[in-house]
Amino acid sequence: EAQVTQNPRYLITVTGKKLTVTCSQNMNHEYMSWYRQDPGLGLRQIYYSMNVEVTDKGDVPEGYKVSRKEKRNFPLILESPSPNQTSLYFCASSSHTHQETQYFGPGTRLLVL
Amino acid sequence: QKEVEQNSGPLSVPEGAIASLNCTYSDRGSQSFFWYRQYSGKSPELIMFIYSNGDKEDGRFTAQLNKASQYVSLLIRDSQPSDSATYLCAVNGVGFQKLVFGTGTRLLVSP
Repeated sequence: EAQVTQNPRYLITVTGKKLTVTCSQNMNHEYMSWYRQDPGLGLRQIYYSMNVEVTDKGDVPEGYKVSRKEKRNFPLILESPSPNQTSLYFCASSSHTHQETQYFGPGTRLLVL
Repeated sequence: QKEVEQNSGPLSVPEGAIASLNCTYSDRGSQSFFWYRQYSGKSPELIMFIYSNGDKEDGRFTAQLNKASQYVSLLIRDSQPSDSATYLCAVNGVGFQKLVFGTGTRLLVSP
C-alpha cells in the first residue's frame, strides 16, 4: 500500500530534550515536506526537500532541522524543543512527474512542556 | 497581511445544496492553486488543483480561478453529510514545493 508514515504519532516531551520525528514514504517520491498545523494559523511549511541531500527552508524553519540522506526518509529534528513548538506536524511527499499531488502522512501530535 | 485568506466558517448548507467556498491570495505571481479537504483529526487530502483562469470540474466539485481578482473558489454540488470537513485553499508560485495554505473553511452539511 502506497503511504507516508510518521513516528511517533503522539509525543509528550519537556523543554530542551532533543527529539526526532521520522517520516518515510514507499512511493519513490522525490519531493518531501514538513508542515505544522496550529489553530487559527493553518498549515505552515517548515522545510522541504526536492531530492536526496537537497533541502530548503519553508516559512517557519526556526528551531527545526531536517536531513535527506535517503530518498524514502525525511526526519524532522528538534534540537531543543520549546513550548511554542507544541503543534500537529505533517509530512508530505510527491513525485517529480506529479508534483501537484502531495500525499500527507497521518500526523504527529507533539506537546512540549 | 495574510497571503491566503479564507472565511473560517462554519458554512452550513442543507444536504443536496451547493456549497461555495472562497479563497483570496495576495501574491500576483502565484501560479498553482489547490483545494484540500481535511476531516477532523485526519491529514489533508487533495481534492483539486487549477492553474488557468476559468472553471475546472471533477465530479461534484468545480474549482474556479480568477487571477485578475486573485480569487479562487470551490463549488460542491449536491452536498452530502460526508462532505462535512474543513476545506483548505493552498497557493504557490513557481514549482509546487513551497505551498502557502489558508486557515481553512469549515463546512457543515446537514441531513
